[in-house]
Amino acid sequence: ELKVEQNPLFLSMQEGKNYTIYCNYSTTSDRLYWYRQDPGKSLESLFVLLSNGAVKQEGRLMASLDTKARLSTLHITAAVHDLSATYFCAVGGFGNEKLTFGTGTRLTIIP
Amino acid sequence: DAGVIQSPRHEVTEMGQEVTLRCKPISGHDYLFWYRQTMMRGLELLIYFNNNVPIDDSGMPEDRFSAKMPNASFSTLKIQPSEPRDSAVYFCASSASGTGGWLTGELFFGEGSRLTVL
Repeated sequence: ELKVEQNPLFLSMQEGKNYTIYCNYSTTSDRLYWYRQDPGKSLESLFVLLSNGAVKQEGRLMASLDTKARLSTLHITAAVHDLSATYFCAVGGFGNEKLTFGTGTRLTIIP
Repeated sequence: DAGVIQSPRHEVTEMGQEVTLRCKPISGHDYLFWYRQTMMRGLELLIYFNNNVPIDDSGMPEDRFSAKMPNASFSTLKIQPSEPRDSAVYFCASSASGTGGWLTGELFFGEGSRLTVL
């Protein structure tokens, strides 16, 4: 059974600082996704990573994937308040379409 | 383009009542997923369909839960009878397969249906 772990679960950081959220998964996978969720809202797709070494960047967020280590990271650069949200990684099972979501990381940016 | 549309957005019902949640996926998408989100268990996949056919329903918690997809533009998730522990936000999501038939793109989520069972 595929297990997905994120850490930290909660992250409080000051504006302007850098930090990284980690996503580890337990079995072979060929797809990894990052989503953002604001309180009481739906999930918004941020990145889709489909190959080892894939790196994608959008604004202050950058995601990378290491399939050998079964690890993805979401790096936040010079955080701003608007980035406060819960971030989820989701991992696709190899050869099937099920996405297993991590526990989420609740990020709070303090002015 | 309209996104994934779910209804109702909020439902409050009493234990034992039947609840039906509805979903209209994005036109052209051939995959549809039902997820449930709670504080305790996070996001759980309940069932998913491909071309209107249920592929994996192993996440459906009990026989009280059933899901159908009668056509490419409509799906329902039914709970009968409902119980307080079913209180959660239920999300529907859709996606399109790539040229190989495999799912490589992101899932697009609806706004969710917040269910409260008293």
